[in-house]
Amino acid sequence: QSALTQPSSVSGSPGQSITIPCTGTSSDIGGYNDVSWYQQLPGKAPKVIIYYVSNRPPGVPFRFSGSKSGNTASLTISGLRTEDEGDYFCNSFRQGDTLVFGGGTKLTVL
Amino acid sequence: QAQLVESGGGVVQPGRSLRLSCTSSGFTLSQNALHWVRQAPGKGLEWVAAISNDGSTQYYAESVRGRCTISRDNSNTVSLQMNSLRPEDTALYYCARDESGYISSHWDAWGHGTLVTVSS
Repeated sequence: QSALTQPSSVSGSPGQSITIPCTGTSSDIGGYNDVSWYQQLPGKAPKVIIYYVSNRPPGVPFRFSGSKSGNTASLTISGLRTEDEGDYFCNSFRQGDTLVFGGGTKLTVL
Repeated sequence: QAQLVESGGGVVQPGRSLRLSCTSSGFTLSQNALHWVRQAPGKGLEWVAAISNDGSTQYYAESVRGRCTISRDNSNTVSLQMNSLRPEDTALYYCARDESGYISSHWDAWGHGTLVTVSS
């Protein structure tokens, strides 16, 4: 069961914007709008920041946004802040009644 | 305060079994699907299994299919029976509440995890 593909790391300066891509196939990201993004801060449990491709839960800043094109979903963080440092994981429903995560991306705010 | 609490982790020898439990407080689990997710030390997240709100539907990752069973014990507890454990099952196991009664990728509450170590 192969994972979705994410870059292992990204970095940016405070105030900048970054985008994390998550690439799958037509059997997962490309075939469903059931894609979510999770933020895991150091030593903490994950927390949903985007669900169903582009929806933001209550309390998640507008700086976080999600999109999808074909087999790739993307998370964009605008106006980077130091407290955004952590790991980010995409997650998608996959044909065959399973779910699958991306390998995770470590965000460093320089 | 509403929370999920995992229990049942520990050190176990390869080939043995373990039963993990996820208990809710402050809310009932009967209206939501429930997932188990694991994270090996220093690694990423891996989805393990899920059960729908009424227990009629269960999904499993290929890595645990045939060795694990997810079930609802009551309105506040979901369990994961893990058999024929392998060293690669060593991980922190989280339970996560699905926002829906059906199984989806949107999980709005997580526990703090219970550690499973498979070692001789």
